Amino acid sequence: GAVVSQHPSRVICKSGTSVKIECRSLDFQATTMFWYRQFPKQSLMLMATSNEGSKATYEQGVEKDKFLINHASLTLSTLTVTSAHPEDSSFYICSARPLSAGGLGDTQYFGPGTRLTVL
Amino acid sequence: KQEVTQIPAALSVPEGENLVLNCSFTDSAIYNLQWFRQDPGKGLTSLLLIQSSQREQTSGRLNASLDKSSGRSTLYIAASQPGDSATYLCAGGRGGADGLTFGKGTHLIIQP
Repeated sequence: GAVVSQHPSRVICKSGTSVKIECRSLDFQATTMFWYRQFPKQSLMLMATSNEGSKATYEQGVEKDKFLINHASLTLSTLTVTSAHPEDSSFYICSARPLSAGGLGDTQYFGPGTRLTVL
Repeated sequence: KQEVTQIPAALSVPEGENLVLNCSFTDSAIYNLQWFRQDPGKGLTSLLLIQSSQREQTSGRLNASLDKSSGRSTLYIAASQPGDSATYLCAGGRGGADGLTFGKGTHLIIQP
C-alpha cells in the first residue's frame, strides 16, 4: 500500500513552453502533498506544500507564478512549470502524507520523480 | 531554519564490512527523522522512520538511531553487500503540514 505515482516520468520540452506534472496517491487519500526538486548532485529541496482545496504555500525563493500548483482532490496534485527555461531542468519529486492518524500520518510517501529537460 | 548535514559525502568499502553513516540536524524540534535510499536517476525508497519519542528503528541489516539532544542520527548497515550501493539521504521533519529537510546524502559504493 501507500503508492504515489507521477506522470510523466520524463519530459523534454523547448524553452518557453509549459509543462504539467501530475502526482497521484493511488491507494490512500492525502490532504497534503509536497513538491521537491533536485538538481544534479544536490539534495532534494522543498519547493511548495500543496493542500487540497486551498492555495499552495511556497518556500522562499520559489516563484509561485512560475510553478503553478493545483490540488483539486484528495488524490491528485499537479505542478505546472510555466514558460520553462533551461535552468528549470531538474528532477521533480512529489510526496503525499496520508490522512490517517498516528504513525502513518507522519510518513511522507514519495513518487518516482519526473525528469524535466528544457532545451 | 532546519539544516541537515551528512558525513561522509562519499564512502567506498569492501563487501562484508559494517558501516555507519552520520546525519546531524540543527533544530531539535524535529518530530521525526527518516532515512532514504536513492539509486542513480531514480526516486526515493524509504528505509527507516524514527519518531521523536523513539531512540532507534531496525529493519533487517539496517539500524537507525536518533539522539535529539545532540542533534544526531546514525544509519548502521551490517554485512554490506554490492546491492547496498546507492546514495543515502536523511531528512528531518517537524510533522503536521511541514515538508522534510534533506541532507545532501552519502554516496556509498560497496566493492565486490
